[in-house]
Amino acid sequence: AQSVTQLGSHVSVSEGALVLLRCNYSSSVPPYLFWYVQYPNQGLQLLLKYTTGATLVKGINGFEAEFKKSETSFHLTKPSAHMSDAAEYFCAVSDSGNQFYFGTGTSLTVIP
Amino acid sequence: GAGVSQSPRYKVAKRGQDVALRCDPISGHVSLFWYQQALGQGPEFLTYFQNEAQLDKSGLPSDRFFAERPEGSVSTLKIQRTQQEDSAVYLCASSLTRTDAYGYTFGSGTRLTVV
Repeated sequence: AQSVTQLGSHVSVSEGALVLLRCNYSSSVPPYLFWYVQYPNQGLQLLLKYTTGATLVKGINGFEAEFKKSETSFHLTKPSAHMSDAAEYFCAVSDSGNQFYFGTGTSLTVIP
Repeated sequence: GAGVSQSPRYKVAKRGQDVALRCDPISGHVSLFWYQQALGQGPEFLTYFQNEAQLDKSGLPSDRFFAERPEGSVSTLKIQRTQQEDSAVYLCASSLTRTDAYGYTFGSGTRLTVV
């Protein structure tokens, strides 16, 4: 069975500061890992994904995440926060089956 | 179309009323998924289609929920005798491939409020 834990339901950072959103997963098989972003009243947009290969994954809008198998983590980072980054972020895991398992989300606030 | 389209965007239903939610996936996408997102929660899986075949419906919360995709493109999620606990955003997603390794493209969702 797969599950995802996102530590911190709310994260606030100052504009220009480092963004770090935490995600830990459990999976009985090598997982596929994803980060999605959701803006108010919109669907989920794929930020980045890890399937195989390089463990440091770069996504859109300057975000990146590193798959650390030993820590079962897939934390999302961005060196410098922008006001437009304020949104809800979801980490998801899949075992390449027919469904994703999502975390409960982290709401990112960017303070000007 | 360019993206996954869902209609209606908002639906208010009286308790006990039947509702039908529509999803138009990206043209040519084989896989189609329905998720339920309660307020303040992450999406939870409801059901999955590969073309017209419903391969997994393990996430449907009760027999009041029914989904179909008769021609392998448009899908409809039907909820009979709606209850207040059905209030949520219903998200549809589609994927080109038969596995989800490449991620889904999500629609904007239908927000259902049962009063």
